Amino acid sequence: QKEVEQNSGPLSVPEGAIASLNCTYSDRGSQSFFWYRQYSGKSPELIMSIYSNGDKEDGRFTAQLNKASQYVSLLIRDSQPSDSATYLCAAQSGGSYIPTFGRGTSLIVHP
Amino acid sequence: GAGVSQSPSNKVTEKGKDVELRCDPISGHTALYWYRQSLGQGLEFLIYFQGNSAPDKSGLPSDRFSAERTGGSVSTLTIQRTQQEDSAVYLCASSLEGWLTGKDGYTFGSGTRLTVV
Repeated sequence: QKEVEQNSGPLSVPEGAIASLNCTYSDRGSQSFFWYRQYSGKSPELIMSIYSNGDKEDGRFTAQLNKASQYVSLLIRDSQPSDSATYLCAAQSGGSYIPTFGRGTSLIVHP
Repeated sequence: GAGVSQSPSNKVTEKGKDVELRCDPISGHTALYWYRQSLGQGLEFLIYFQGNSAPDKSGLPSDRFSAERTGGSVSTLTIQRTQQEDSAVYLCASSLEGWLTGKDGYTFGSGTRLTVV
């Protein structure tokens, strides 16, 4: 069974710090990886996707993928209180149209 | 439309009643998904529609759940004889083409919060 594991948190970081969110996945056939942000009471929104080993940067966000270790992470630089949310990791196998989601990590950025 | 639209936003129903949840995907998106999210839980896949192909119903938890998609656009998720464990937020998502979710991810609607009392 395909699984995506995330620490539920909460992860608490001070404003301005780097928040590091981690995710592991069980299916070695996974080829596409996504990070979604979900504010309390709201629906998830896609913030990053990554497909190749290494780093991918988009503004304050950096996604990191290590397929050998089956590990994907999301770094948020200069964290802001508005980044406080639950971050969902998802992995999708090649040829599949249904990603597997983790349960999410709650991030709290305190002033 | 500009986004994925779901209705109603909230629904309270009595145990044993049937409910219908509606999803209107982004115009031109051929792939449509239904997910369920219970309090403190992850996203549970329910059903997937791609164009005019037969839907993937592998995630439906019981035969009380069914869904249809008319004209390749609007979808309705029906839950018959609702039970308390059906209480959750039901999320609809769409993408340009199903296989392209490997590159683009989904756009989710705002969800329907279903409470069965």
